[in-house]
Amino acid sequence: AQTVTQSQPEMSVQEAETVTLSCTYDTSESDYYLFWYKQPPSRQMILVIRQEAYKQQNATENRFSVNFQKAAKSFSLKISDSQLGDAAMYFCAYRNLMNRDDKIIFGKGTRLHILP
Amino acid sequence: EPEVTQTPSHQVTQMGQEVILRCVPISNHLYFYWYRQILGQKVEFLVSFYNNEISEKSEIFDDQFSVERPDGSNFTLKIRSTKLEDSAMYFCASSERGGQGAREQYFGPGTRLTVT
Repeated sequence: AQTVTQSQPEMSVQEAETVTLSCTYDTSESDYYLFWYKQPPSRQMILVIRQEAYKQQNATENRFSVNFQKAAKSFSLKISDSQLGDAAMYFCAYRNLMNRDDKIIFGKGTRLHILP
Repeated sequence: EPEVTQTPSHQVTQMGQEVILRCVPISNHLYFYWYRQILGQKVEFLVSFYNNEISEKSEIFDDQFSVERPDGSNFTLKIRSTKLEDSAMYFCASSERGGQGAREQYFGPGTRLTVT
């Protein structure tokens, strides 16, 4: 069974600084998606960034980028120039692609605090 | 931009009562999902639904739960006899494709269910 592990329950970063959130996962599949979701206090789930496993190039969305290491099964999120609005719970997530099992599996989350 | 909507945003019910949580997926999406997040915990998959039948369900999705697509737009989750431990945020999600063709799932804003 696939699992997603986030080893940092909480992190803090100074406004305008850079922070990296860690995520590892376990799967025997070769094709899958990895995601980072943001959950602000409103508790809505907002997709931050998506990485296809077959792509070697790391995904980037504005201030958000990932470091995808497929062999190590590692998928970290880097937030540059942190802003107060980035404060939220961040979930790393996995989705298999090769069969009908396309549910998303989430990690336990990392709560990110932005210090003014 | 099209979005998944959910009603109500907050539902309070007494233990043993039936509740129906409603979702309107994005109009051209064919795959539908329910997830649950107990306060302070990770998001967990409940059920996926395609072509008017359940594709997959988790061990959480027992006989107390059912899903239905009563018309061309709504997707509902029914809990027949609520228990205190059903108190959680329930997220609906939809996807244009599933399986190998799948990309991200789009999440609704969630319904907060409180069982007293």
